[in-house]
Amino acid sequence: AQRVTQPEKLLSVFKGAPVELKCNYSYSGSPELFWYVQYSRQRLQLLLRHISRESIKGFTADLNKGETSFHLKKPFAQEEDSAMYYCALRSNDYKLSFGAGTTVTVRA
Amino acid sequence: SAVISQKPSRDICQRGTSLTIQCQVDSQVTMMFWYRQQPGQSLTLIATANQGSEATYESGFVIDKFPISRPNLTFSTLTVSNMSPEDSSIYLCSVFRAGTEAFFGQGTRLTVV
Repeated sequence: AQRVTQPEKLLSVFKGAPVELKCNYSYSGSPELFWYVQYSRQRLQLLLRHISRESIKGFTADLNKGETSFHLKKPFAQEEDSAMYYCALRSNDYKLSFGAGTTVTVRA
Repeated sequence: SAVISQKPSRDICQRGTSLTIQCQVDSQVTMMFWYRQQPGQSLTLIATANQGSEATYESGFVIDKFPISRPNLTFSTLTVSNMSPEDSSIYLCSVFRAGTEAFFGQGTRLTVV
Protein backbone atom coordinates (compact mmCIF):
# COMPACT_ATOMS: atom_id res chain seq x y z
CA ALA A 1 0.00 0.00 0.00
CA GLN A 2 1.18 3.51 -0.69
CA ARG A 3 1.44 6.16 1.93
CA VAL A 4 2.47 9.82 2.00
CA THR A 5 3.51 11.49 5.24
CA GLN A 6 3.81 15.21 5.87
CA PRO A 7 4.89 15.53 9.49
CA GLU A 8 4.29 19.26 9.84
CA LYS A 9 0.71 20.46 9.91
CA LEU A 10 1.69 24.10 10.34
CA LEU A 11 4.81 26.00 9.34
CA SER A 12 5.41 29.65 10.05
CA VAL A 13 8.41 31.53 8.69
CA PHE A 14 9.48 35.11 8.25
CA LYS A 15 9.66 36.69 4.82
CA GLY A 16 13.09 36.12 3.32
CA ALA A 17 13.81 33.08 5.45
CA PRO A 18 14.27 29.61 3.97
CA VAL A 19 11.35 27.22 4.09
CA GLU A 20 11.36 23.44 3.83
CA LEU A 21 8.29 21.23 3.80
CA LYS A 22 8.94 17.59 4.51
CA CYS A 23 7.38 14.69 2.65
CA ASN A 24 8.11 11.00 3.02
CA TYR A 25 6.48 8.21 1.10
CA SER A 26 6.18 4.47 0.96
CA TYR A 27 5.42 2.69 -2.28
CA SER A 28 6.49 -0.66 -3.61
CA GLY A 29 6.76 0.44 -7.23
CA SER A 30 8.46 3.32 -8.99
CA PRO A 31 6.86 6.45 -7.54
CA GLU A 32 5.74 9.56 -9.32
CA LEU A 33 5.66 12.41 -6.83
CA PHE A 34 4.07 15.84 -6.88
CA TRP A 35 3.62 18.92 -4.79
CA TYR A 36 0.21 20.60 -5.04
CA VAL A 37 -0.63 24.01 -3.62
CA GLN A 38 -3.92 25.58 -2.65
CA TYR A 39 -3.99 29.33 -2.17
CA SER A 40 -6.82 30.94 -0.26
CA ARG A 41 -10.14 30.59 -2.14
CA GLN A 42 -8.49 28.93 -5.13
CA ARG A 43 -8.57 25.40 -6.43
CA LEU A 44 -5.83 22.87 -5.91
CA GLN A 45 -3.09 23.25 -8.50
CA LEU A 46 0.15 21.56 -9.38
CA LEU A 47 3.32 23.19 -8.12
CA LEU A 48 6.02 20.65 -8.96
CA ARG A 49 6.46 17.13 -10.23
CA HIS A 50 9.64 15.18 -9.59
CA ILE A 51 10.19 14.07 -13.16
CA SER A 52 10.45 17.62 -14.48
CA ARG A 53 13.20 18.63 -12.03
CA GLU A 54 12.37 22.30 -12.49
CA SER A 55 12.02 25.25 -10.16
CA ILE A 56 8.58 26.84 -9.95
CA LYS A 57 8.08 30.12 -8.07
CA GLY A 58 11.51 29.54 -6.53
CA PHE A 59 10.54 26.14 -5.12
CA THR A 60 12.50 22.98 -5.79
CA ALA A 61 12.01 19.39 -4.70
CA ASP A 62 14.36 16.47 -5.11
CA LEU A 63 13.31 12.86 -5.00
CA ASN A 64 15.57 10.87 -2.69
CA LYS A 65 14.75 7.22 -3.20
CA GLY A 66 17.20 6.10 -0.52
CA GLU A 67 15.40 8.16 2.11
CA THR A 68 12.01 7.86 0.36
CA SER A 69 11.62 11.61 0.62
CA PHE A 70 10.48 14.46 -1.61
CA HIS A 71 11.00 17.58 0.46
CA LEU A 72 9.97 20.98 -0.91
CA LYS A 73 12.35 23.87 -0.45
CA LYS A 74 12.58 27.56 -1.12
CA PRO A 75 15.59 29.65 -0.06
CA PHE A 76 13.72 32.91 0.48
CA ALA A 77 10.04 32.75 1.40
CA GLN A 78 7.64 35.43 0.17
CA GLU A 79 4.32 36.48 1.65
CA GLU A 80 2.50 35.17 -1.43
CA ASP A 81 3.81 31.69 -0.60
CA SER A 82 1.32 31.48 2.26
CA ALA A 83 -0.90 28.55 1.30
CA MET A 84 -1.72 24.91 1.94
CA TYR A 85 0.80 22.48 0.41
CA TYR A 86 0.11 18.83 -0.32
CA CYS A 87 2.62 16.18 -1.24
CA ALA A 88 1.09 13.48 -3.45
CA LEU A 89 2.13 10.15 -4.92
CA ARG A 90 0.70 8.80 -8.14
CA SER A 91 0.55 5.06 -8.55
CA ASN A 92 0.60 3.10 -11.80
CA ASP A 93 -3.20 3.31 -12.08
CA TYR A 94 -3.02 7.13 -11.99
CA LYS A 95 -4.61 7.46 -8.56
CA LEU A 96 -3.20 10.14 -6.28
CA SER A 97 -2.51 9.58 -2.59
CA PHE A 98 -2.15 12.80 -0.63
CA GLY A 99 -0.30 13.67 2.51
CA ALA A 100 -2.12 15.44 5.32
CA GLY A 101 -0.99 18.82 4.06
CA THR A 102 1.11 21.62 5.54
CA THR A 103 -0.22 25.12 6.07
CA VAL A 104 2.52 27.65 5.44
CA THR A 105 2.29 31.16 6.82
CA VAL A 106 4.92 33.68 5.77
CA ARG A 107 5.09 36.66 8.11
CA ALA A 108 6.33 40.08 7.15
CA SER B 1 -4.52 22.06 -19.40
CA ALA B 2 -8.12 21.13 -18.66
CA VAL B 3 -10.90 23.47 -17.61
CA ILE B 4 -13.19 21.81 -15.09
CA SER B 5 -16.59 23.12 -14.08
CA GLN B 6 -18.00 21.60 -10.93
CA LYS B 7 -21.56 22.30 -9.74
CA PRO B 8 -22.84 23.24 -7.27
CA SER B 9 -20.00 25.08 -5.60
CA ARG B 10 -21.71 24.73 -2.23
CA ASP B 11 -24.94 23.49 -0.73
CA ILE B 12 -26.64 23.03 2.59
CA CYS B 13 -28.79 19.90 2.71
CA GLN B 14 -31.13 18.22 5.12
CA ARG B 15 -30.12 14.87 6.54
CA GLY B 16 -31.67 11.92 4.73
CA THR B 17 -31.70 13.67 1.37
CA SER B 18 -29.35 13.21 -1.61
CA LEU B 19 -27.22 15.63 -3.60
CA THR B 20 -25.82 15.14 -7.07
CA ILE B 21 -22.60 16.93 -7.98
CA GLN B 22 -21.69 17.49 -11.60
CA CYS B 23 -18.24 17.66 -13.17
CA GLN B 24 -17.86 18.93 -16.73
CA VAL B 25 -14.51 19.08 -18.55
CA ASP B 26 -13.85 21.19 -21.61
CA SER B 27 -12.20 18.33 -23.51
CA GLN B 28 -11.94 14.55 -23.43
CA VAL B 29 -9.89 13.10 -20.61
CA THR B 30 -8.54 9.66 -19.90
CA MET B 31 -9.43 9.37 -16.24
CA MET B 32 -11.88 11.04 -13.90
CA PHE B 33 -11.76 10.70 -10.14
CA TRP B 34 -13.81 11.86 -7.17
CA TYR B 35 -12.15 12.88 -3.89
CA ARG B 36 -13.46 13.88 -0.51
CA GLN B 37 -11.84 16.34 1.86
CA GLN B 38 -13.35 16.23 5.31
CA PRO B 39 -12.89 19.24 7.61
CA GLY B 40 -9.26 19.55 8.65
CA GLN B 41 -8.30 16.44 6.71
CA SER B 42 -6.45 15.65 3.52
CA LEU B 43 -7.96 14.47 0.25
CA THR B 44 -9.21 10.90 0.11
CA LEU B 45 -10.04 9.12 -3.13
CA ILE B 46 -13.64 7.94 -3.29
CA ALA B 47 -13.68 6.27 -6.68
CA THR B 48 -12.55 6.22 -10.29
CA ALA B 49 -15.36 7.14 -12.67
CA ASN B 50 -15.25 4.75 -15.62
CA GLN B 51 -16.79 5.75 -18.91
CA GLY B 52 -19.66 3.48 -19.83
CA SER B 53 -19.27 1.13 -16.88
CA GLU B 54 -19.55 1.00 -13.10
CA ALA B 55 -17.18 3.13 -11.07
CA THR B 56 -14.30 1.54 -9.15
CA TYR B 57 -14.59 2.33 -5.45
CA GLU B 58 -11.85 2.61 -2.87
CA SER B 59 -11.95 0.79 0.42
CA GLY B 60 -14.56 2.30 2.70
CA PHE B 61 -16.74 3.71 -0.09
CA VAL B 62 -19.70 1.90 -1.63
CA ILE B 63 -21.89 2.43 -4.64
CA ASP B 64 -25.13 2.64 -2.67
CA LYS B 65 -23.82 5.63 -0.74
CA PHE B 66 -21.88 7.33 -3.57
CA PRO B 67 -23.35 6.36 -6.92
CA ILE B 68 -21.28 7.70 -9.81
CA SER B 69 -22.06 8.08 -13.46
CA ARG B 70 -19.79 8.82 -16.40
CA PRO B 71 -21.80 8.72 -19.61
CA ASN B 72 -19.01 10.14 -21.77
CA LEU B 73 -15.39 11.28 -21.70
CA THR B 74 -16.12 14.82 -20.50
CA PHE B 75 -18.82 14.48 -17.84
CA SER B 76 -19.37 12.72 -14.53
CA THR B 77 -21.70 12.95 -11.56
CA LEU B 78 -21.29 11.95 -7.94
CA THR B 79 -24.36 11.52 -5.75
CA VAL B 80 -24.11 11.61 -1.98
CA SER B 81 -27.09 9.56 -0.84
CA ASN B 82 -29.09 9.52 2.38
CA MET B 83 -26.87 12.21 3.83
CA SER B 84 -25.87 12.58 7.45
CA PRO B 85 -23.83 15.33 9.12
CA GLU B 86 -20.74 13.11 8.78
CA ASP B 87 -20.97 13.62 5.01
CA SER B 88 -20.23 17.32 5.41
CA SER B 89 -17.09 17.73 3.34
CA ILE B 90 -15.62 19.22 0.23
CA TYR B 91 -16.04 16.93 -2.76
CA LEU B 92 -13.61 17.35 -5.64
CA CYS B 93 -13.59 16.16 -9.19
CA SER B 94 -10.18 15.44 -10.71
CA VAL B 95 -9.26 14.61 -14.28
CA PHE B 96 -6.18 13.18 -15.87
CA ARG B 97 -5.11 13.18 -19.47
CA ALA B 98 -2.23 10.99 -20.57
CA GLY B 99 1.06 12.87 -20.55
CA THR B 100 -0.16 15.63 -18.24
CA GLU B 101 -0.73 16.14 -14.58
CA ALA B 102 -4.03 15.86 -12.71
CA PHE B 103 -6.38 18.85 -12.70
CA PHE B 104 -8.96 19.63 -10.06
CA GLY B 105 -12.34 21.26 -9.98
CA GLN B 106 -12.98 24.05 -7.51
CA GLY B 107 -14.83 21.65 -5.24
CA THR B 108 -18.33 21.38 -3.80
CA ARG B 109 -18.63 22.38 -0.17
CA LEU B 110 -21.44 20.30 1.33
CA THR B 111 -22.98 20.97 4.72
CA VAL B 112 -25.54 18.51 6.06
CA VAL B 113 -27.83 19.76 8.81
